[in-house]
Amino acid sequence: GAVVSQHPSWVICKSGTSVKIECRSLDFQATTMFWYRQFPKQSLMLMATSNEGSKATYEQGVEKDKFLINHASLTLSTLTVTSAHPEDSSFYICSASPLAGVHGGLYEQYFGPGTRLTVT
Amino acid sequence: QKEVEQDPGPLSVPEGAIVSLNCTYSNSAFQYFMWYRQYSRKGPELLMYTYSSGNKEDGRFTAQVDKSSKYISLFIRDSQPSDSATYLCAMSEGAGSYQLTFGKGTKLSVIP
Repeated sequence: GAVVSQHPSWVICKSGTSVKIECRSLDFQATTMFWYRQFPKQSLMLMATSNEGSKATYEQGVEKDKFLINHASLTLSTLTVTSAHPEDSSFYICSASPLAGVHGGLYEQYFGPGTRLTVT
Repeated sequence: QKEVEQDPGPLSVPEGAIVSLNCTYSNSAFQYFMWYRQYSRKGPELLMYTYSSGNKEDGRFTAQVDKSSKYISLFIRDSQPSDSATYLCAMSEGAGSYQLTFGKGTKLSVIP
């Protein structure tokens, strides 16, 4: 249980275009979903936190107009990178917290497999 | 001082060895402690989840939390080549906040 999927797993786009990444919790409902980015050999950096039906909360330094997040349902969140530039190339990973913990805890997060974005 | 410190390694051990991975932290409000395993180019996988101080065992994995020392450990017994991955510690204050603070990860290689 507690499976999170992401689509696409890998995307190449041209500079100036927009890219949408989907994150789905497949076998549980998620109150909260998170979006991270990870550079090579670095840890995950939280970009934003989203709750179903409300606006996302962005971390300091993350441009909300550039990284649009929509959390339309308890099983789906999307991240749209608008007007992408080469410096946006990174590994984007989402995670989801279940309504009831799978391991018995309230603060578990389950991660998707990640989306590798390359902007040329 | 960063909130969570984790030795990045790399750590190389022979198959069958006992592996000890550690993190220290400075925020005394952390109550929930997790260990994730991340294979190259994959998302992190939750291995162990612990609330407050104490030990938790799951198969070959044992997680320890010492809140008085602000120190957590993950032990892997009888390590296997398939354990080769990056191990990330993560922590949360809880109390309605789901945010995790991660260590940088320790890269482990188990040599056959």
